[in-house]
Amino acid sequence: GENVEQHPSTLSVQEGDSAVIKCTYSDSASNYFPWYKQELGKRPQLIIDIRSNVGEKKDQRIAVTLNKTAKHFSLHITETQPEDSAVYFCAVLYNFNKFYFGSGTKLNVKP
Amino acid sequence: AAGVIQSPRHLIKEKRETATLKCYPIPRHDTVYWYQQGPGQDPQFLISFYEKMQSDKGSIPDRFSAQQFSDYHSELNMSSLELGDSALYFCASRPNPGQGADTEAFFGQGTRLTVV
Repeated sequence: GENVEQHPSTLSVQEGDSAVIKCTYSDSASNYFPWYKQELGKRPQLIIDIRSNVGEKKDQRIAVTLNKTAKHFSLHITETQPEDSAVYFCAVLYNFNKFYFGSGTKLNVKP
Repeated sequence: AAGVIQSPRHLIKEKRETATLKCYPIPRHDTVYWYQQGPGQDPQFLISFYEKMQSDKGSIPDRFSAQQFSDYHSELNMSSLELGDSALYFCASRPNPGQGADTEAFFGQGTRLTVV
C-alpha cells in the first residue's frame, strides 16, 4: 500500500509571507497528487493538483512541485492572506484507484 | 453542476444502536470512497467501491459494512455504535479511473454522527 507523510502539522505565518507544506509518499507507482483545503466543519475541496509527468504547476498564488525521484511534493502559497487559514491535506492516488491522504497541516495566517 | 450528496447531514444515535449513511455520487462517477474524520484529524480511509464491487478496504471496523448499489449510490451501515464512532463521515466519488484521466475525488458535505 501507500504511505503518505505530511509536514508540518501546524504552520503559522504572517500575512503576506509564504507557506510551504511538504508530503512524501512511498510507492513510485503513484501518479496523481492533489492538494485539498478544508475549512472547519466543511468538506475538503481541491485547490491544485499535479500529475506524475509534470514537475511544477502554478495557479495564481498557489503552486505545487513534484520530485518523483525523491518521492515528495510540496504546496507553496505565496502572499498569504487570512482567508488561507485552514487545514490542508495532500493526497496520493495509488494504483489508479486508491486514494490516500496525508495527516493534514493546520495553517494559520496572522493579520 | 451536481455534486456528491450525503444523507443525513446530522445524525444522533445512542450507544449500541445502528446507523445507515447514504452517499449519492456525481452522475457517471462509478468509484466511491468512504472516510471517517474525527475532530482535528485527517480523513481516515474506510472503504471504496468501483463498479459496485469493493475495491479497497482501510481501517473499517468489523461492525461496519458498506455496499454500492446498481445506481452507484453507496450506503455505510454501522452497528453496535460506540462513543468513539462520533465523527464526520465523508463520501467522495471519482469517474472511472480506467478512462485514462486521473482526476480529483469530489467530496460530499459529510454526515456528522454523534453517538451519545
